[in-house]
Amino acid sequence: GAVVSQHPSWVICKSGTSVKIECRSLDFQATTMFWYRQFPKQSLMLMATSNEGSKATYEQGVEKDKFLINHASLTLSTLTVTSAHPEDSSFYICSAYPPGRYSNQPQHFGDGTRLSIL
Amino acid sequence: RKEVEQDPGPFNVPEGATVAFNCTYSNSASQSFFWYRQDCRKEPKLLMSVYSSGNEDGRFTAQLNRASQYISLLIRDSKLSDSATYLCVVTEYSSASKIIFGSGTRLSIRP
Repeated sequence: GAVVSQHPSWVICKSGTSVKIECRSLDFQATTMFWYRQFPKQSLMLMATSNEGSKATYEQGVEKDKFLINHASLTLSTLTVTSAHPEDSSFYICSAYPPGRYSNQPQHFGDGTRLSIL
Repeated sequence: RKEVEQDPGPFNVPEGATVAFNCTYSNSASQSFFWYRQDCRKEPKLLMSVYSSGNEDGRFTAQLNRASQYISLLIRDSKLSDSATYLCVVTEYSSASKIIFGSGTRLSIRP
């Protein structure tokens, strides 16, 4: 089945550091990928929709200058958390739809990246 | 009112019990429905899609009630390994597809 790979799985770094997270579709091309954030004991919250070859679409309240998204190819989207601070510590997960008419297909999720900012 | 609502639980039931939980959605135009399972500190994994006619996969049964705008998940003969958070996911379609997650229902199966 469709596989989405996310890297790294865990990041611990100092406040002020920028962190890049990669999301790859391993066996299919994804023109659209999604980035979510999940705080403890809360549900996934969509941050942005990443579109190959064009600008990402950000959800209300998500700072696009803080969370930079680049979808440079059909198999790779990156999320960069710029100048990360402790409040950015969270679980970040990407997802993509397998090929085909995705409207009624489930998403496939990456393994997630646990970001801890000290 | 939240777009997708779930009872957060936790549901604490003995092994072998049958447990069911619902998820309500507010937008009648919602088109696709899924149940995902998420283990602690892991990514969500698809458990099953939910169809209007209802569907069953082993011990799991999912149903959709469009009139009352809810979906349900029934787990029979529960196992210890069923302990997880179950997320209800609803997809809406307009000019921009929208994917909405419920807050999840925590299930704990005790020996």
